[in-house]
Amino acid sequence: GAVVSQHPSRVICKSGTSVKIECRSLDFQATTMFWYRQFPKKSLMLMATSNEGSKATYEQGVEKDKFLINHASLTLSTLTVTSAHPEDSSFYICSARDVGRVTGNTIYFGEGSWLTVV
Amino acid sequence: KNQVEQSPQSLIILEGKNCTLQCNYTVSPFSNLRWYKQDTGRGPVSLTIMTFSENTKSNGRYTATLDADTKQSSLHITASQLSDSASYICVVSPSGTYKYIFGTGTRLKVLA
Repeated sequence: GAVVSQHPSRVICKSGTSVKIECRSLDFQATTMFWYRQFPKKSLMLMATSNEGSKATYEQGVEKDKFLINHASLTLSTLTVTSAHPEDSSFYICSARDVGRVTGNTIYFGEGSWLTVV
Repeated sequence: KNQVEQSPQSLIILEGKNCTLQCNYTVSPFSNLRWYKQDTGRGPVSLTIMTFSENTKSNGRYTATLDADTKQSSLHITASQLSDSASYICVVSPSGTYKYIFGTGTRLKVLA
């Protein structure tokens, strides 16, 4: 089946630094990718929709200057947490939509990335 | 406001028993309703997908039902296994959008 790879799976960074998380669709093309944040024992919260070749669409309340999203190719989207603070520590998950499919499951999730800011 | 609510919030059952998880939604119109399984610290994995016109969909020991009139869906797990311990998330996609509205999730714990 289709695979979405996230890297790194775990990252620890110092407060004030920036960290980049990659989301790759390994065997399909994805014009649209989604970035989520998940707090412990809570459901996924959509942060932004990443569109290949154009600016991302951010959900209300999400700071676009803090969470930079780049979707430069049909298989790669990146989320950069800039000037990270401890409150940014969370589980970040991406999903990608397979443009080659119109029926059945067309959305695939990555394995998630744990970010800890110390 | 589009909402997806799940119940119970958490559930503990013994291995081998059956259980049913509920999902109530207000999203209308919608194009599809999905159930995902999410292990702790992992990404969600798709279990079933139903369009608005479907009533039931099975995937092994998982059977999802959909009643579009009452705006309810359920996920029935048969002969539970220890590996079924996870969070189960109901996700509804409004028509005309690729956005997904996530439910609050049900945390299932299967005990030996």
